[in-house]
Amino acid sequence: SQTIHQWPATLVQPVGSPLSLECTVEGTSNPNLYWYRQAAGRGLQLLFYSIGIDQISSEVPQNLSASRPQDRQFILSSKKLLLRDSGFYLCAWSGFGSGYGYTFGSGTRLTV
Amino acid sequence: SQQGEEDPQALSIQEGENATMNCSYKTSINNLQWYRQNSGRGLVHLILIRSNEREKHSGRLRVTLDTSKKSSSLLITASRAADTASYFCATDGDAGKLTFGKGITLSVRP
Repeated sequence: SQTIHQWPATLVQPVGSPLSLECTVEGTSNPNLYWYRQAAGRGLQLLFYSIGIDQISSEVPQNLSASRPQDRQFILSSKKLLLRDSGFYLCAWSGFGSGYGYTFGSGTRLTV
Repeated sequence: SQQGEEDPQALSIQEGENATMNCSYKTSINNLQWYRQNSGRGLVHLILIRSNEREKHSGRLRVTLDTSKKSSSLLITASRAADTASYFCATDGDAGKLTFGKGITLSVRP
């Protein structure tokens, strides 16, 4: 069965520090991968999605970047965190194309 | 930008009652999905309804889709305290990318 792992669960970082959140998927190959951010009391904002290794699309301009060094690994990074980067970050995967539900990781609560 | 807009924003019902949540969207879709989120956790996929389907059932869940009105509803029958969570609709319109609404907070009183 497929599983998705996301860590850490919580993170407190000072302004200006770097960030690295990691997400890995097991039990499937060539998944679509996604990073979402959820602000308190709001819906999910798509940050990045990837359909393959080193194929990353950014949805909104921001202080963050994403990388996919391996097929089932998706990393969210920042060189210098800002206060507005605080939030709940969720990684998800789905099968290729339309018609598949997403499977989400358990999320990372980031406080800057 | 938000594609799906859920209604109401919050719903409080007694255990055993049915809960109905609505979602409206703006542009054409391939499918519409409903997710559940317990506090501080990731989202869990509940059900997917395709644009050519009108109704779908899964256990105590019933989802309808009206593409002419660009709306969907999620019905949870015989609610339980454990159904307390936030519920999100999400629309799939572009190469598998989902756009989520702001969610509905459902409280089921024991």
